[in-house]
Amino acid sequence: EAQVTQNPRYLITVTGKKLTVTCSQNMNHEYMSWYRQDPGLGLRQIYYSMNVEVTDKGDVPEGYKVSRKEKRNFPLILESPSPNQTSLYFCASALDLLSSYNSPLHFGNGTRLTVT
Amino acid sequence: GQQLNQSPQSMFIQEGEDVSMNCTSSSIFNTWLWYKQDPGEGPVLLIALYKAGELTSNGRLTAQFGITRKDSFLNISASIPSDVGIYFCAPWGNKLVFGAGTILRVKS
Repeated sequence: EAQVTQNPRYLITVTGKKLTVTCSQNMNHEYMSWYRQDPGLGLRQIYYSMNVEVTDKGDVPEGYKVSRKEKRNFPLILESPSPNQTSLYFCASALDLLSSYNSPLHFGNGTRLTVT
Repeated sequence: GQQLNQSPQSMFIQEGEDVSMNCTSSSIFNTWLWYKQDPGEGPVLLIALYKAGELTSNGRLTAQFGITRKDSFLNISASIPSDVGIYFCAPWGNKLVFGAGTILRVKS
């Protein structure tokens, strides 16, 4: 089954403790992206990647890192999480950036992160 | 920067009623997408609009791409309980942006 898989679904951590949220897609998509969803703000893009070893900042990249060493995986890293990073995070992928409005973004089921 | 306004923020309607929501922007876009997010899941694409003035239907859903290319609306006719969720407009200019979402609740 074609899908985007995020892990974990839920994570509670403390300020400053490094964490990684994994994202994997099995559709051979070139484009991958991370969003955070906060009430009243919709989905805001954190980082995106147009292909292996190519990553770019989105609208809210501060406090986050990503890597794209292989096509299928796009982990989100929080080196020193803070309470304002408490949010619902979504990973998404598409065939490629230029055609992503034709081949839609496929989203994972989300990771709810709480930083205390 | 570009401003994207989606309204209403939330709706609580009776089953069988029609629903209307819209997005307006200060910027011109080439494509308007509408996504739905079911509770506990990621958003899924409902409808894509590629031309100004385009009116597209998908079952009980109808969406239009405004003539000015700065707005779009989504209508749902004869709502049913499984329509509950958050609906996002997502216009595409040089990148995809998402509206703040419309939360839809349906009373059966």
